[in-house]
Amino acid sequence: GQNIDQPTEMTATEGAIVQINCTYQTSGFNGLFWYQQHAGEAPTFLSYNVLDGLEEKGRFSSFLSRSKGYSYLLLKELQMKDSASYLCAVRDVDMRFGAGTRLTVKP
Amino acid sequence: DSGVTQTPKHLITATGQRVTLRCSPRSGDLSVYWYQQSLDQGLQFLIQYYNGEERAKGNILERFSAQQFPDLHSELNLSSLELGDSALYFCASGRGQSTEAFFGQGTRLTVV
Repeated sequence: GQNIDQPTEMTATEGAIVQINCTYQTSGFNGLFWYQQHAGEAPTFLSYNVLDGLEEKGRFSSFLSRSKGYSYLLLKELQMKDSASYLCAVRDVDMRFGAGTRLTVKP
Repeated sequence: DSGVTQTPKHLITATGQRVTLRCSPRSGDLSVYWYQQSLDQGLQFLIQYYNGEERAKGNILERFSAQQFPDLHSELNLSSLELGDSALYFCASGRGQSTEAFFGQGTRLTVV
């Protein structure tokens, strides 16, 4: 089975940097994904890690340590529109999601 | 636009009824995933198909069933509906086992 944990809520200030952590336990591993979801909308793909290390994509970066079962999503230069839920997902044969971290960006 | 199409967008039905939700994956995608998201809850994995065959099953109730057709579209059938089945149902598609999945806009089901 799979167990994926992330903080329930986080708050940060516009222009700042925030790190959202995700820990997981899974029998098999074919990659870790981060998605953004605004309320009532579909999740949208942000990043994918399958090897250890940091993947950078604009203001967003994602890190993976397979040995520790740990990932984080780093958001830089926060904007108000970044207020959303951020979902960590692990692929084994299927793809399962954590409960999501609701990020609120304040002015 | 992710390229994944779900119909209908909204559905209101009574308890005890049966509904069918439809998903058309992105062109070239062989995998289809179904998820349920209740209000303020996370995405619960229901079932996955790959090229017409069931690949993985999650927390899918016996009242629910799904299939993927030869043209790769998929349908999720929900029967004997209960109030607690009210939720957003998302379909996602992907190319293979190690690639990202792209989500449709979801079907919002309300059971009254």
